Amino acid sequence: ELKVEQNPLFLSMQEGKNYTIYCNYSTTSDRLYWYRQDPGKSLESLFVLLSNGAVKQEGRLMASLDTKARLSTLHITAAVHDLSATYFCAVEKETSGSRLTFGEGTQLTVNP
Amino acid sequence: DADVTQTPRNRITKTGKRIMLECSQTKGHDRMYWYRQDPGLGLRLIYYSFDVKDINKGEISDGYSVSRQAQAKFSLSLESAIPNQTALYFCATMDRDYGYTFGSGTRLTVV
Repeated sequence: ELKVEQNPLFLSMQEGKNYTIYCNYSTTSDRLYWYRQDPGKSLESLFVLLSNGAVKQEGRLMASLDTKARLSTLHITAAVHDLSATYFCAVEKETSGSRLTFGEGTQLTVNP
Repeated sequence: DADVTQTPRNRITKTGKRIMLECSQTKGHDRMYWYRQDPGLGLRLIYYSFDVKDINKGEISDGYSVSRQAQAKFSLSLESAIPNQTALYFCATMDRDYGYTFGSGTRLTVV
């Protein structure tokens, strides 16, 4: 059974600081996704990572994937208040119907 | 119009009532999914469908049923709602090239 674990689950940080969210998964996967969710809203796709060593960046967020370690990271650079949200990683296995298995989510609060 | 539309957006229902949540899409994707979100648990898969004749259970299907009326429509039913089915429900579509598209969600409260 595929399990996905994120840490930390709660993260409070100051504006201007850097931090990393970690996503571990238990079996091989085909794709790894990162999503952002604002309170009461739907999921916004941030990144799709397909292969070992993949790195993608958008603004202050950078995601990477190490398939050998079964680990993905979401790095936040010089955080700003607008990044406050819950971030989810999700792993897809095509042999399981391409369904997504989600981590618990990391609730990020960026304080002025 | 949104690519994936869920109705209703909010619903309060009583224990024991039957309720249907509806999802329609304009993306033309074959694969559709129903997820449930509870605080601290992420999203968990209830049912998924590859086409109108292919329906599959997810990890938490007990107490739920689905109907794929057409490629564009995928409905989730709670035959006899119970309070622990209070949650935020998301419908999603998937295409191998395009990825996943999530609806806006239905917030269901069972009292």
